[in-house]
Amino acid sequence: DQQVKQNSPSLSVQEGRISILNCDYTNSMFDYFLWYKKYPAEGPTFLISISSIKDKNEDGRFTVFLNKSAKHLSLHIVPSQPGDSAVYFCAASAEGGGADGLTFGKGTHLIIQP
Amino acid sequence: DTGVSQDPRHKITKRGQNVTFRCDPISEHNRLYWYRQTLGQGPEFLTYFQNEAQLEKSRLLSDRFSAERPKGSFSTLEIQRTEQGDSAMYLCASSQSVPNYGYTFGSGTRLTVV
Repeated sequence: DQQVKQNSPSLSVQEGRISILNCDYTNSMFDYFLWYKKYPAEGPTFLISISSIKDKNEDGRFTVFLNKSAKHLSLHIVPSQPGDSAVYFCAASAEGGGADGLTFGKGTHLIIQP
Repeated sequence: DTGVSQDPRHKITKRGQNVTFRCDPISEHNRLYWYRQTLGQGPEFLTYFQNEAQLEKSRLLSDRFSAERPKGSFSTLEIQRTEQGDSAMYLCASSQSVPNYGYTFGSGTRLTVV
């Protein structure tokens, strides 16, 4: 039973355009959501997060949108750059994040084409 | 501070052998987490320490797995009587106390059981 779903295993976007990565969740107890970026042979790197009391959080080229009623969040990267090519994981936390840790999706491999 | 360090980076072992991995977190972080990632999946939570106390264990952590953090600094994860299904990337992460959900991950230990 996958509680965090990333239904697109891969996404190809042209350099300079917008990349939109999607994530759906099923557990209503999740109250904090995070995006991680992972390069090969490295651990995941924290990118951006959002609390369930907000619907948008922005940090430079990265914006995360949360639609609680649809149990859906998305990560927008604009403009996309070659260095953004990586696997992106959506993760969720319930009640503080410490108990049970984070629940991750399977990831979306983003490929930025020149 | 060089971030979260994990040792070894790679480990090949024969089925039935015991293995031990080490994680050195960021020095001011008092929370430490272990995750496991298999091919095509996101990281899965295994266990979590607050200082030296192990506060949460996933049902994924069978009796063959044990983790310690004896002095609240580095941690070890031991797998006894390894099985081929244990082959995975074992990731360690650390964070400060609540609230900080932006865990810092290490580069992981890749275990191959032959």
